[in-house]
Amino acid sequence: AQKITQTQPGMFVQEKEAVTLDCTYDTSDPSYGLFWYKQPSSGEMIFLIYQGSYDQQNATEGRYSLNFQKARKSANLVISASQLGDSAMYFCATTIYSSNTGNQFYFGTGTSLTVIP
Amino acid sequence: ETGVTQSPTHLIKTRGQQVTLRCSSQSGHNTVSWYQQALGQGPQFIFQYYREEENGRGNFPPRFSGLQFPNYSSELNVNALELDDSALYLCASSQNLVVDTQYFGPGTRLTVL
Repeated sequence: AQKITQTQPGMFVQEKEAVTLDCTYDTSDPSYGLFWYKQPSSGEMIFLIYQGSYDQQNATEGRYSLNFQKARKSANLVISASQLGDSAMYFCATTIYSSNTGNQFYFGTGTSLTVIP
Repeated sequence: ETGVTQSPTHLIKTRGQQVTLRCSSQSGHNTVSWYQQALGQGPQFIFQYYREEENGRGNFPPRFSGLQFPNYSSELNVNALELDDSALYLCASSQNLVVDTQYFGPGTRLTVL
């Protein structure tokens, strides 16, 4: 079963505008983490933001915020004041731990964001 | 504090050969995970090592194996290479075994001919 679903293969945003990248997840485990990573064309995966399943408040890191809606199993990334350097692939991911299988990590298929000057 | 490093950057092998990829974890991190990222796709989890033992494994055959050393550096070994093994291989380290942020290296681009 697909653990992470990103339904937007590509997104465009005007420079200085805000953009929301969608992510839904599928797990029945009560303890999990949700992450967003940015991957520029250079290939390196850059950590952006983390949300724990027990965290009451939405995570924020500078211009990045994670809109965590537990009941809907969604963890959307909001980028405010977009910059040209934000153009990249964005991946949503989750990590689920169990005593049987250990840590399992799942990434979505990614969303390609293009910031237009 | 140094980040995660990987070697080599690029590698070309032929089908049937064996390959070893190396990763040096971020200082203070005792957990390392390996991923395979095919072109245009998201990373696929191969396995994770914690204090030199395999802690979790994704849906990869046994010809994908790994090692983690006492200094927490690690290796990914792939035997009997197939054309579909061509991908970017990413290593990520984290400070804790359980749910924790992973920091990635720049990756090794493997091409199998």
